[in-house]
Amino acid sequence: IAGITQAPTSQILAAGRRMTLRCTQDMRHNAMYWYRQDLGLGLRLIHYSNTAGTTGKGEVPDGYSVSRANTDDFPLTLASAVPSQTSVYFCASRKSQGYNEQFFGPGTRLTVL
Amino acid sequence: GEDVEQSLFLSVREGDSSVINCTYTDSSSTYLYWYKQEPGAGLQLLTYIFSNMDMKQDQRLTVLLNKKDKHLSLRIADTQTGDSAIYFCAGVNFGNEKLTFGTGTRLTIIP
Repeated sequence: IAGITQAPTSQILAAGRRMTLRCTQDMRHNAMYWYRQDLGLGLRLIHYSNTAGTTGKGEVPDGYSVSRANTDDFPLTLASAVPSQTSVYFCASRKSQGYNEQFFGPGTRLTVL
Repeated sequence: GEDVEQSLFLSVREGDSSVINCTYTDSSSTYLYWYKQEPGAGLQLLTYIFSNMDMKQDQRLTVLLNKKDKHLSLRIADTQTGDSAIYFCAGVNFGNEKLTFGTGTRLTIIP
């Protein structure tokens, strides 16, 4: 593994189902993030984690939850998916404060029907 | 919180210069970034500028920062077909780990 991986690459999901998007990084970065990308809205932060064991809410956290049990993994869970959660989801990580590049995963395309 | 705005679309002829603009509201932004997203891919950092700089040049890329007007621009010289992508500006405050992204500008190259 090199960098950030996300799984699945894409998923079609029935409304009401539970779904977990996986994100793993092997760079030992402290901070990790989940964004959703929607046309005309850019990237919006869902949840973030500054370090293992801590999480925080971003701009659009409703309907999503995260956990950060260790440094490498930062799963995003949709407890009961709704069509408005159809989007492309990007996981990202960053080493620490100050200038440090934020690295992005390849994304997960989620469609909720 | 920070608001970051960009035009959604820009078309440029191959070989010309592209200028992508961005305005932001939070004057305390410490770092400002330009990211590139190619079709079907994640975002990759192109360049960044510290808030105490006015300009930064890196090969074909020139970043200009006007703090008074809260305006950031990215100039791509000699635009090539491989420059076709969506370009995002983003800002972050020192001590706040969260980046705020603009809406993205889709750059289309006309042959």
